[in-house]
Amino acid sequence: DGGITQSPKYLFRKEGQNVTLSCEQNLNHDAMYWYRQDPGQGLRLIYYSQIVNDFQKGDIAEGYSVSREKKESFPLTVTSAQKNPTAFYLCASTAGTAKSGNTIYFGEGSWLTVV
Amino acid sequence: AQSVTQLGSHVSVSEGALVLLRCNYSSSVPPYLFWYVQYPNQGLQLLLKYTSAATLVKGINGFEAEFKKSETSFHLTKPSAHMRDAAEYFCAVRGGGSYIPTFGRGTSLIVHP
Repeated sequence: DGGITQSPKYLFRKEGQNVTLSCEQNLNHDAMYWYRQDPGQGLRLIYYSQIVNDFQKGDIAEGYSVSREKKESFPLTVTSAQKNPTAFYLCASTAGTAKSGNTIYFGEGSWLTVV
Repeated sequence: AQSVTQLGSHVSVSEGALVLLRCNYSSSVPPYLFWYVQYPNQGLQLLLKYTSAATLVKGINGFEAEFKKSETSFHLTKPSAHMRDAAEYFCAVRGGGSYIPTFGRGTSLIVHP
């Protein structure tokens, strides 16, 4: 079945450590997104990519980095510069242009906890 | 610019009662509007979307929403709540030349027996 796969589901990070969250989609979507979800704050955009080898910062990009070397993959690295990384991370993707009403699809999310 | 406001972080209803979750949007151009549902520890699942066709949109699980341009609203309703409807609901807007969907802060629906 087509969809978005995020891994791992649970990840623990030690202080000063970088960790990478994986996001893979087989929907042939051009645009991909990373959101951070904290209780009561909804979804906040970290990074997004409209096309391979191109990505832009979202509202809370500090302490995060991404790459888009392949259309189907958009990994997110949480660096040691992110001081409060404990959250639920959601990857999403969508087809079409900015003027389309195509559905935005989400992965199942990844929990990151600092230990 | 686009934005979404969901009124009420929590809505509590009795099983069998009407569900009404409110969403108001701001967009400089005719928007595309979405409602998503999130169950605990899971990703978001599309309930329904408005893409400038019919103003009354029917979705899954008996939910529907009405686009009202004059009120800039896209409220979500369901005639009769069920226990399994207890979840977090998000309204989202994607408008004009923006690739970025903007989400509201979410409304937690609590259903009492």
